[in-house]
Amino acid sequence: GQNIDQPTEMTATEGAIVQINCTYQTSGFNGLFWYQQHAGEAPTFLSYNVLDGLEEKGRFSSFLSRSKGYSYLLLKELQMKDSASYLCAVTDSNYQLIWGAGTKLIIKP
Amino acid sequence: DVKVTQSSRYLVKRTGEKVFLECVQDMDHENMFWYRQDPGLGLRLIYFSYDVKMKEKGDIPEGYSVSREKKERFSLILESASTNQTSMYLCASSIASDLAKNIQYFGAGTRLSVL
Repeated sequence: GQNIDQPTEMTATEGAIVQINCTYQTSGFNGLFWYQQHAGEAPTFLSYNVLDGLEEKGRFSSFLSRSKGYSYLLLKELQMKDSASYLCAVTDSNYQLIWGAGTKLIIKP
Repeated sequence: DVKVTQSSRYLVKRTGEKVFLECVQDMDHENMFWYRQDPGLGLRLIYFSYDVKMKEKGDIPEGYSVSREKKERFSLILESASTNQTSMYLCASSIASDLAKNIQYFGAGTRLSVL
């Protein structure tokens, strides 16, 4: 079956760096997404990776290793507003999105 | 900015009622999707549509139907609501041109409670 694994919850300190991991097993691969979802709000697009390597976008970076079925989202200089759930999703060979359950990130002062 | 609007943020319905969830997007997107989101589970696709009057079943279509009479509007219908349909329902839309990098834009969700 198809599976996306990410930690359920993580805690980090304001100003620090946190890495949220995502591993996947899917039938084919056509790209990996990260979305951010604040409590009670809509998920919003953060990043897309289809080639191996690191994509940097301001304080957020996303890394992909297709051979390992692995990605991470790196958040630097954490701010309180980064408290949210982070959803990993993979486009499979049929171009359908497979979603992970999300990682709830708690930022402490 | 893309705007996806869901008609209700909160709904409380009784078992057996017919429930309509409405979603409207303003960016002329071809694709529209309905998901449900439950604690501890990833988003699960109920139905999607690639064009007006077209619909495709997702992973969990049982107990649901959809309607897409206009490009901007995608409705989810619970024919006879049951307690196991208590959930957060999310609507999304996306442009059709790139199958792989298909960024989806979401509404704020409708939290449905079936009593």
